[in-house]
Amino acid sequence: GAVVSQHPSRVICKSGTSVKIECRSLDFQATTMFWYRQFPKQSLMLMATSNEGSKATYEQGVEKDKFLINHASLTLSTLTVTSAHPEDSSFYICSARDRRRAGSGELFFGEGSRLTVL
Amino acid sequence: DAKTTQPTSMDCAEGRAANLPCNHSTISGNEYVYWYRQIHSQGPQYIIHGLKNNETNEMASLIITEDRKSSTLILPHATLRDTAVYYCIADDYKLSFGAGTTVTVRA
Repeated sequence: GAVVSQHPSRVICKSGTSVKIECRSLDFQATTMFWYRQFPKQSLMLMATSNEGSKATYEQGVEKDKFLINHASLTLSTLTVTSAHPEDSSFYICSARDRRRAGSGELFFGEGSRLTVL
Repeated sequence: DAKTTQPTSMDCAEGRAANLPCNHSTISGNEYVYWYRQIHSQGPQYIIHGLKNNETNEMASLIITEDRKSSTLILPHATLRDTAVYYCIADDYKLSFGAGTTVTVRA
């Protein structure tokens, strides 16, 4: 199946700093990518939908100025957690849909990025 | 996206078939049924999806009732590596995850 890669897989940062997470589709082009967050022992929560060349659409309750999303190309979306605080510590996961199969194709997920804010 | 209901947990014996039920009574005509699983601390893994017809691939089979209000994922020969949280999702674009079913395969 198609491969979605996230980087970094783990990151530890100090409170108040910003952290950027990259999500790349390695062997297909993704018009749309999705960002999720998962707290321990909980399910994935959709944060935002990232569309190439346009502004991201955020789910209710997700601060767009806190979680900056950029989808500059058909193979790369980035999530920047700005002024991170300990409560932002979580597992962040991206997914992408192959633009050739946008109608019904499955979403391919990255390996996830674990953020720990001290 | 339609709400789905799954059992919280289930055990199954290694080598036996595992049947995972899912209710999606409010599913609309253009929404697909997707199944994913998540092994601890990893990203979700795609298993199978379908619209109306039953589907089978190398991992599993998906049985969708004629009224599309429920479905069953079948793992034909469960192994210890199939222990994971299994998510059933009814959606047509973005996938919203529910609580899923924690499946434990026991030797």
